Amino acid sequence: NAGVTQTPKFQVLKTGQSMTLQCAQDMNHEYMSWYRQDPGMGLRLIHYSVGAGITDQGEVPNGYNVSRSTTEDFPLRLLSAAPSQTSVYFCASSQRLGQETDTQYFGPGTRLTVL
Amino acid sequence: SQQGEEDPQALSIQEGENATMNCSYKTSINNLQWYRQNSGRGLVHLILIRSNEREKHSGRLRVTLDTSKKSSSLLITASRAADTASYFCATDDNNNDMRFGAGTRLTVKP
Repeated sequence: NAGVTQTPKFQVLKTGQSMTLQCAQDMNHEYMSWYRQDPGMGLRLIHYSVGAGITDQGEVPNGYNVSRSTTEDFPLRLLSAAPSQTSVYFCASSQRLGQETDTQYFGPGTRLTVL
Repeated sequence: SQQGEEDPQALSIQEGENATMNCSYKTSINNLQWYRQNSGRGLVHLILIRSNEREKHSGRLRVTLDTSKKSSSLLITASRAADTASYFCATDDNNNDMRFGAGTRLTVKP
């Protein structure tokens, strides 16, 4: 298994540009999520999905869109990049145990800089 | 706002010593998870403890959970230089989202 893969690893955008961060997992996990990590801080949840066709907002959803058309893929779209979105982005996936989230498996991260 | 709050923010010890990190949270939880992050890398799951459990062990790791105090601790025994990393707690509060703390930066000096 490849686990959780993310592309690209690095990206530089200009203010106002849009782009999509890709995330895929091959573990048949129902739960997928996107986090951002800013210097000296923990991870903050952007959006999450409990299954194909279902997405919901996390703690910091503004400026981001997601979709979950398949179990494997969970892309994160930046609609109009802003310098405040400069961060490291992590995708994660896990099984669900009823209403409980099990161990999360993280991708290697995407380092995004918005100029 | 962050659910978990780790304490201390930074910890520096000598190889062979034990390291203890604490995590406090605010709401009731299904489980609490500890993760490790090496500099510039993704997070790696260490251990999960459920709300009906009080203590769990995994190798040199020992985790306790006190739901009455809404707190957890992670103990790393006989630390090694390779344990140098940031450690985060994360809570599953039955709200479909995971909340992470800001982390404890552990440095183990050889």
